[in-house]
Order: sequence, then structure tokens, then C-alpha cells
Amino acid sequence: GAVVSQHPSRVICKSGTSVKIECRSLDFQATTMFWYRQFPKKSLMLMATSNEGSKATYEQGVEKDKFLINHASLTLSTLTVTSAHPEDSSFYICSAQGAGDPGELFFGEGSRLTVL
Amino acid sequence: KQEVTQIPAALSVPEGENLVLNCSFTDSAIYNLQWFRQDPGKGLTSLLLIQSSQREQTSGRLNASLDKSSGRSTLYIAASQPGDSATYLCAVRPDRSQGAQKLVFGQGTRLTINP
Repeated sequence: GAVVSQHPSRVICKSGTSVKIECRSLDFQATTMFWYRQFPKKSLMLMATSNEGSKATYEQGVEKDKFLINHASLTLSTLTVTSAHPEDSSFYICSAQGAGDPGELFFGEGSRLTVL
Repeated sequence: KQEVTQIPAALSVPEGENLVLNCSFTDSAIYNLQWFRQDPGKGLTSLLLIQSSQREQTSGRLNASLDKSSGRSTLYIAASQPGDSATYLCAVRPDRSQGAQKLVFGQGTRLTINP
């Protein structure tokens, strides 16, 4: 199947700093990517839908100014956690949508963010 | 609003047993249903995808069924092995009229296979 790569897989940062997480579709073009957040022993919560070349659509309750999403190309979307705080510590997973209507979804390996 | 529920939340069985994981959803207007496996600290691995027009899908020791009218799906694992230990997530994709792009996930069943 198609491969979606996330980087970094783990990141530790100090409170108040910003962290960028990348999501790449390695062997296909993804016009749409999704960002999820997962709390310990909980399911995935959709944060936002990222469309190439346009603004992301955020789910209710997700602060768009804190979680900046950029989908600059058909193979790359980035999530930037701005002014991170300990409560932002979580597991972030992206998925990319392949061709078709709707296309199959492929998931990245996730990124573990720890804010000290 | 679509809601997905998985029961049980956790399951522990001896190696070699056959087992069934359950998933239910509130709105039968779905495009497809997908079962994923998640190992601790890892992303999701797709196991089986069932289109709304299908009743079941099989892959090796795994068999997933779908009863759209009753809002239920089951994942059957035959001859379980310790390597099957993981969290299993069920997700539904709404039909086109309700925004087919987004997946709605259940909370998962944490499966432990004891040697």
C-alpha cells in the first residue's frame, strides 16, 4: 500500500516554544490530508482537514491559531503547534487521501509530542 | 452525528482461541467501514476495508462482517497468536451526502493474547 511518513516520530520541547510536524505522502499525491490527535488509551480525534493550496478546515473546539496547518504541496502537510504547553502533549497522527472519490486513506506512524 | 462504539474496551484471551471484536455505529448511511490495528506508540495499520455494498471481507485469519441496517460490524480473529496483541480500531466513513472524507473512529478494543 501507499506510504505516509511523519517526522519527527518523537519530539520534546520546552513550554512556550513552537514545534513543527511534517506529514509526507511518499509515493502518491494527496490533495487532502487529515490531522488527528490521540490521548492515552483513547481514540483518534480529528483536528483538521488540510487541502492543498487552501486553508485548512478545523473541527469544532480546535484552536486554529495554536495548531497551524500548511499544505503547500501535493505530498506535504505540516502541523505547527505554536507556543506549546504541557497540555498539548499528545500523539499526533496524519492521514493522506489517495486518488478517487473518495480516495483510500493511508496513515502515518504518528508523532509523540512532549512539552515540558 | 455519527457515533462509533466498540465493545469490549479490553479483552484478554489465551493463545489459540478464536475471538470476536464488536463495532456498532449509529447512522447506517456509511460509505465504508474499516478495521485498523494500532501497536503501542505507533500509527494505524489498515486490516480490512468493507464497502457499504459488501457483507464481509477476509484476509488470512481475519474476517470482518458488516450489517449496515443494524449498524454493526464484527472482526473475527481465528487461532489467535501473541503477535495479535494490539489495539483494534473500527472506523466508518460517512456516505457522500454527509462528507465522505472524514473517518469516525471508535475508541478501540485493547486485545491481549496470552501465551
